Amino acid sequence: QKEVEQNSGPLSVPEGAIASLNCTYSDRVSQSFFWYRQYSGKSPELIMSIYSNGDKEDGRFTAQLNKASQYVSLLIRDSQPSDSATYLCAVTKGTGTYKYIFGTGTRLKVLA
Amino acid sequence: NAGVTQTPKFQVLKTGQSMTLQCAQDMNHNSMYWYRQDPGMGLRLIYYSASEGTTDKGEVPNGYNVSRLNKREFSLRLESAAPSQTSVYFCASPSNQPQHFGDGTRLSIL
Repeated sequence: QKEVEQNSGPLSVPEGAIASLNCTYSDRVSQSFFWYRQYSGKSPELIMSIYSNGDKEDGRFTAQLNKASQYVSLLIRDSQPSDSATYLCAVTKGTGTYKYIFGTGTRLKVLA
Repeated sequence: NAGVTQTPKFQVLKTGQSMTLQCAQDMNHNSMYWYRQDPGMGLRLIYYSASEGTTDKGEVPNGYNVSRLNKREFSLRLESAAPSQTSVYFCASPSNQPQHFGDGTRLSIL
């Protein structure tokens, strides 16, 4: 079992729809969770971080965390063609650690 | 990307050659990281340095060495390059989040 798992996609959604990206992780004591966006040929950029159970909203983005189910998701409302990218989930390994484990990413395609 | 500078941006090596990838950050952060990214594999941590003078292995350290030269600089060395090390290498320097990545070094080993 991979430490952080994501569906590789591509996930195709029409413009204006809600895109839902999912991530599961195996380390029960992980404390910090992140979503990155990566355009082709570019470096990852942080778009959301979440540390406690529940929802966290930032503009069109909502991160959801459920530690009991070891599940973190990212919702993108009113999806735009410019949201087309690969979305990487990252999780800290263990407690009090600087080690970050990344998923393989989900490719999102927003169709105009 | 602002704050983290990687050099070179591209490099082609022959098997067995050595080279050093350079990374510098101007954000006065304590920790620095080296990742590699391969198709279908995501980002994998090679080495990290939690603070000046310390380094630790990540998921895939074999074939690499690192040096935390000072607080600003963290270099990654391939002593004897192998085709399996063909990848895109990213340096990152977070404060308390892994949010600042360099532009990457695209390395091909023939």
